[in-house]
Amino acid sequence: GAGVSQTPSNKVTEKGKYVELRCDPISGHTALYWYRQSLGQGPEFLIYFQGTGAADDSGLPNDRFFAVRPEGSVSTLKIQRTERGDSAVYLCASSRAGGRSEQFFGPGTRLTVL
Amino acid sequence: QKEVEQNSGPLSVPEGAIASLNCTYSDRVSQSFFWYRQYSGKSPELIMSIYSNGDKEDGRFTAQLNKASQYVSLLIRDSQPSDSATYLCAVGEIQGAQKLVFGQGTRLTINP
Repeated sequence: GAGVSQTPSNKVTEKGKYVELRCDPISGHTALYWYRQSLGQGPEFLIYFQGTGAADDSGLPNDRFFAVRPEGSVSTLKIQRTERGDSAVYLCASSRAGGRSEQFFGPGTRLTVL
Repeated sequence: QKEVEQNSGPLSVPEGAIASLNCTYSDRVSQSFFWYRQYSGKSPELIMSIYSNGDKEDGRFTAQLNKASQYVSLLIRDSQPSDSATYLCAVGEIQGAQKLVFGQGTRLTINP
């Protein structure tokens, strides 16, 4: 079946602009996760959803970052007033809700803030 | 602050040999452990999960978990040049849906 998809694959924006990154999880996966990865580092957790609600948003760095998942499937990560330090690869993953929930990653969105 | 530590490498192993990758974690209550492989410019790909003490084998890969020592390792037998990648260790507190804490990854190079 289809894996996790993310769009766009690359996004270049200017400092101060607003961006939206989209994630479409594996069909049937009710849990969805956002991570970001800087060069030479492991992925860093941002937020995860169970269905439509954010079950854990403890990794969001500040209030410029916000994510939604209004229908329990596709999710959008929104970043306001982007800063150069926001440049990274934003990874989305999905998993089943219960049991031993293994997370499967999408291809990522490379965000560059000039 | 929960931490997952890996030697960043690079680890260089001759083709056909066993590659051994190690990971330690700080949170004693951790229940789930994962190894991901990440090729340059690509996203992480899950290769092994382990939840109980001992060994778990899948093809050329063996994951080993020792909760008392807070240590998890990945062995790759008969290493191939295609195994050259960064290997990420990830740890979770429970066995369900949750945030994972990742190490910084170990860069592995298999030399033909």
